[in-house]
Amino acid sequence: EVQLLESGGGLVQPGGSLRLSCAASGFTFNTNAMSWVRQAPGKGLEWVAAIGPTGASMYYADSVKGRFTISRDNSKNTLSLQMDSLRAEDTALYYCAKGWISRGYFDYWGQGVLVTVSS
Amino acid sequence: QSALTQPPSASGSPGQSVTISCTGTSSDVGSYNYVSWYQQHPGNAPKLLISEVNKRPSGVPDRFSGSKSGNTASLTVSGLQAEDEADYYCSSYGGSDNLLFGGGTKLTVL
Repeated sequence: EVQLLESGGGLVQPGGSLRLSCAASGFTFNTNAMSWVRQAPGKGLEWVAAIGPTGASMYYADSVKGRFTISRDNSKNTLSLQMDSLRAEDTALYYCAKGWISRGYFDYWGQGVLVTVSS
Repeated sequence: QSALTQPPSASGSPGQSVTISCTGTSSDVGSYNYVSWYQQHPGNAPKLLISEVNKRPSGVPDRFSGSKSGNTASLTVSGLQAEDEADYYCSSYGGSDNLLFGGGTKLTVL
Protein backbone atom coordinates (compact mmCIF):
# COMPACT_ATOMS: atom_id res chain seq x y z
CA GLU A 1 0.00 0.00 0.00
CA VAL A 2 1.39 3.39 -0.99
CA GLN A 3 1.79 5.74 1.96
CA LEU A 4 3.00 9.33 2.05
CA LEU A 5 3.38 10.90 5.48
CA GLU A 6 4.21 14.59 5.77
CA SER A 7 5.75 16.24 8.81
CA GLY A 8 7.46 19.46 9.87
CA GLY A 9 4.64 21.96 9.64
CA GLY A 10 3.85 24.64 12.20
CA LEU A 11 3.64 28.34 12.95
CA VAL A 12 6.45 30.57 11.69
CA GLN A 13 6.91 34.33 11.52
CA PRO A 14 7.10 36.17 8.20
CA GLY A 15 10.62 35.99 6.85
CA GLY A 16 11.29 32.76 8.71
CA SER A 17 12.14 29.26 7.52
CA LEU A 18 10.62 25.81 7.81
CA ARG A 19 11.53 22.39 6.45
CA LEU A 20 8.86 19.88 5.48
CA SER A 21 9.47 16.16 5.07
CA CYS A 22 7.51 13.37 3.44
CA ALA A 23 8.20 9.73 4.29
CA ALA A 24 7.27 7.43 1.40
CA SER A 25 6.56 3.70 1.44
CA GLY A 26 4.80 1.02 -0.57
CA PHE A 27 6.39 1.81 -3.94
CA THR A 28 9.82 2.10 -5.55
CA PHE A 29 10.66 5.62 -4.46
CA ASN A 30 13.82 6.09 -6.54
CA THR A 31 12.04 5.55 -9.86
CA ASN A 32 9.26 8.04 -9.30
CA ALA A 33 9.04 11.82 -9.60
CA MET A 34 7.53 13.64 -6.63
CA SER A 35 5.92 17.01 -6.00
CA TRP A 36 4.63 19.35 -3.32
CA VAL A 37 1.16 20.82 -3.81
CA ARG A 38 -0.42 23.33 -1.44
CA GLN A 39 -3.91 24.46 -0.58
CA ALA A 40 -4.54 27.72 1.23
CA PRO A 41 -7.42 27.64 3.73
CA GLY A 42 -10.70 27.48 1.82
CA LYS A 43 -8.92 27.80 -1.52
CA GLY A 44 -7.91 25.61 -4.44
CA LEU A 45 -4.86 23.53 -5.21
CA GLU A 46 -1.54 25.04 -6.30
CA TRP A 47 1.44 23.06 -7.55
CA VAL A 48 4.58 24.23 -5.73
CA ALA A 49 7.61 22.17 -6.75
CA ALA A 50 8.64 18.91 -8.40
CA ILE A 51 11.75 16.72 -8.44
CA GLY A 52 12.84 13.92 -10.74
CA PRO A 53 13.62 10.37 -9.57
CA THR A 54 17.34 10.92 -9.09
CA GLY A 55 17.08 14.42 -7.65
CA ALA A 56 19.02 15.94 -10.52
CA SER A 57 16.04 17.87 -11.92
CA MET A 58 13.97 20.31 -9.87
CA TYR A 59 11.11 22.57 -10.98
CA TYR A 60 9.30 25.36 -9.18
CA ALA A 61 6.19 27.49 -9.48
CA ASP A 62 6.99 31.15 -10.05
CA SER A 63 5.41 32.01 -6.68
CA VAL A 64 8.11 30.13 -4.75
CA LYS A 65 11.10 30.22 -7.08
CA GLY A 66 14.22 31.42 -5.27
CA ARG A 67 12.66 30.88 -1.82
CA PHE A 68 11.82 27.16 -1.71
CA THR A 69 14.12 24.20 -2.39
CA ILE A 70 12.88 20.68 -3.08
CA SER A 71 15.15 17.71 -2.45
CA ARG A 72 15.03 13.97 -1.86
CA ASP A 73 17.02 11.26 -0.11
CA ASN A 74 16.48 8.01 -2.00
CA SER A 75 18.39 6.04 0.65
CA LYS A 76 15.73 7.05 3.19
CA ASN A 77 12.71 7.26 0.87
CA THR A 78 12.21 10.84 1.95
CA LEU A 79 11.12 13.98 0.11
CA SER A 80 11.82 17.43 1.58
CA LEU A 81 10.85 21.05 1.04
CA GLN A 82 13.03 23.78 2.51
CA MET A 83 11.00 26.96 2.74
CA ASP A 84 12.82 30.26 3.32
CA SER A 85 11.71 33.90 3.36
CA LEU A 86 8.21 32.78 4.17
CA ARG A 87 5.28 35.12 3.55
CA ALA A 88 1.72 35.24 4.86
CA GLU A 89 0.51 34.02 1.47
CA ASP A 90 2.49 30.79 1.92
CA THR A 91 0.04 29.77 4.65
CA ALA A 92 -1.49 26.52 3.44
CA LEU A 93 -1.85 22.79 3.81
CA TYR A 94 1.12 21.27 2.00
CA TYR A 95 0.66 17.89 0.31
CA CYS A 96 3.33 15.49 -0.82
CA ALA A 97 2.26 13.84 -4.09
CA LYS A 98 3.60 11.05 -6.29
CA GLY A 99 3.66 11.57 -10.05
CA TRP A 100 5.20 13.30 -13.04
CA ILE A 101 4.11 16.86 -13.79
CA SER A 102 4.96 16.17 -17.45
CA ARG A 103 2.17 13.58 -17.44
CA GLY A 104 -0.13 15.97 -15.67
CA TYR A 105 -1.25 13.90 -12.72
CA PHE A 106 -0.50 12.65 -9.21
CA ASP A 107 -1.78 9.18 -8.37
CA TYR A 108 -1.12 9.26 -4.63
CA TRP A 109 -1.27 12.09 -2.09
CA GLY A 110 -0.35 12.39 1.57
CA GLN A 111 -2.79 13.79 4.12
CA GLY A 112 -1.00 17.13 4.23
CA VAL A 113 0.82 19.23 6.80
CA LEU A 114 -0.24 22.74 7.85
CA VAL A 115 2.10 25.69 7.55
CA THR A 116 0.98 28.97 9.10
CA VAL A 117 2.98 32.14 8.49
CA SER A 118 1.94 34.84 10.94
CA SER A 119 3.40 37.26 13.43
CA GLN B 1 0.64 31.16 -16.20
CA SER B 2 -2.92 31.57 -14.94
CA ALA B 3 -4.92 28.82 -13.35
CA LEU B 4 -7.40 26.87 -15.43
CA THR B 5 -11.02 28.09 -15.32
CA GLN B 6 -13.74 25.98 -13.71
CA PRO B 7 -17.29 26.95 -12.72
CA PRO B 8 -17.41 27.54 -8.95
CA SER B 9 -20.43 25.30 -8.50
CA ALA B 10 -22.50 22.59 -10.15
CA SER B 11 -25.46 20.55 -9.01
CA GLY B 12 -27.73 17.68 -9.93
CA SER B 13 -30.26 15.28 -8.49
CA PRO B 14 -29.49 11.66 -7.68
CA GLY B 15 -29.36 9.58 -10.83
CA GLN B 16 -28.79 12.55 -13.11
CA SER B 17 -25.60 13.42 -15.01
CA VAL B 18 -23.50 16.51 -14.43
CA THR B 19 -20.64 17.88 -16.52
CA ILE B 20 -17.93 20.15 -15.15
CA SER B 21 -15.80 22.15 -17.56
CA CYS B 22 -12.16 23.15 -17.32
CA THR B 23 -10.95 25.83 -19.71
CA GLY B 24 -7.33 26.55 -20.43
CA THR B 25 -5.43 27.88 -23.41
CA SER B 26 -3.71 26.58 -26.51
CA SER B 27 -0.49 26.49 -24.42
CA ASP B 28 -1.76 24.01 -21.85
CA VAL B 29 -5.06 22.09 -22.19
CA GLY B 30 -5.09 22.60 -25.94
CA SER B 31 -1.52 21.40 -26.43
CA TYR B 32 -1.31 18.31 -24.24
CA ASN B 33 -3.44 15.26 -23.52
CA TYR B 34 -2.28 15.52 -19.92
CA VAL B 35 -5.46 16.70 -18.23
CA SER B 36 -6.47 15.09 -14.97
CA TRP B 37 -9.34 15.38 -12.50
CA TYR B 38 -9.42 15.03 -8.71
CA GLN B 39 -12.18 14.63 -6.16
CA GLN B 40 -11.74 16.14 -2.70
CA HIS B 41 -14.11 15.57 0.18
CA PRO B 42 -13.93 18.03 3.11
CA GLY B 43 -10.96 17.33 5.33
CA ASN B 44 -9.46 14.78 2.94
CA ALA B 45 -6.63 14.80 0.44
CA PRO B 46 -7.45 14.96 -3.27
CA LYS B 47 -8.12 11.64 -4.99
CA LEU B 48 -7.22 11.01 -8.63
CA LEU B 49 -10.32 10.31 -10.73
CA ILE B 50 -9.10 10.75 -14.30
CA SER B 51 -5.64 11.01 -15.85
CA GLU B 52 -4.53 11.81 -19.39
CA VAL B 53 -7.95 13.22 -20.36
CA ASN B 54 -9.97 10.02 -20.06
CA LYS B 55 -8.13 7.26 -18.20
CA ARG B 56 -9.66 5.96 -14.99
CA PRO B 57 -7.34 4.50 -12.33
CA SER B 58 -8.28 1.14 -10.90
CA GLY B 59 -11.10 1.44 -8.41
CA VAL B 60 -12.69 4.59 -9.84
CA PRO B 61 -16.30 3.88 -10.90
CA ASP B 62 -17.06 4.12 -14.60
CA ARG B 63 -19.69 6.74 -13.71
CA PHE B 64 -16.80 9.18 -13.95
CA SER B 65 -15.56 10.00 -17.44
CA GLY B 66 -13.36 12.64 -19.01
CA SER B 67 -13.06 14.27 -22.41
CA LYS B 68 -11.41 17.18 -24.14
CA SER B 69 -12.20 19.46 -27.06
CA GLY B 70 -9.79 22.18 -28.02
CA ASN B 71 -8.82 24.20 -24.96
CA THR B 72 -11.62 22.83 -22.77
CA ALA B 73 -11.68 19.57 -20.84
CA SER B 74 -14.75 18.11 -19.17
CA LEU B 75 -15.59 15.71 -16.37
CA THR B 76 -18.95 13.97 -16.52
CA VAL B 77 -20.44 12.28 -13.50
CA SER B 78 -23.27 9.96 -14.49
CA GLY B 79 -25.84 8.41 -12.18
CA LEU B 80 -25.15 10.95 -9.44
CA GLN B 81 -24.93 9.56 -5.92
CA ALA B 82 -24.95 11.34 -2.58
CA GLU B 83 -21.29 10.47 -2.01
CA ASP B 84 -20.31 12.35 -5.18
CA GLU B 85 -20.90 15.62 -3.34
CA ALA B 86 -17.39 17.06 -3.13
CA ASP B 87 -14.98 19.55 -4.66
CA TYR B 88 -13.56 18.69 -8.07
CA TYR B 89 -10.33 20.02 -9.52
CA CYS B 90 -8.84 19.74 -12.97
CA SER B 91 -5.16 20.03 -13.79
CA SER B 92 -3.07 20.18 -16.92
CA TYR B 93 0.57 20.08 -17.85
CA GLY B 94 1.35 23.64 -18.84
CA GLY B 95 4.58 23.10 -20.70
CA SER B 96 7.94 24.44 -19.57
CA ASP B 97 7.93 22.09 -16.56
CA ASN B 98 4.83 23.67 -15.08
CA LEU B 99 1.57 22.19 -13.81
CA LEU B 100 -1.68 24.15 -13.60
CA PHE B 101 -4.79 23.51 -11.50
CA GLY B 102 -8.30 24.81 -11.94
CA GLY B 103 -9.93 26.83 -9.19
CA GLY B 104 -12.23 23.95 -8.25
CA THR B 105 -15.94 23.20 -8.60
CA LYS B 106 -18.21 22.40 -5.66
CA LEU B 107 -20.64 19.69 -6.73
CA THR B 108 -23.90 19.56 -4.80
CA VAL B 109 -26.21 16.55 -5.01
CA LEU B 110 -29.72 17.93 -4.50
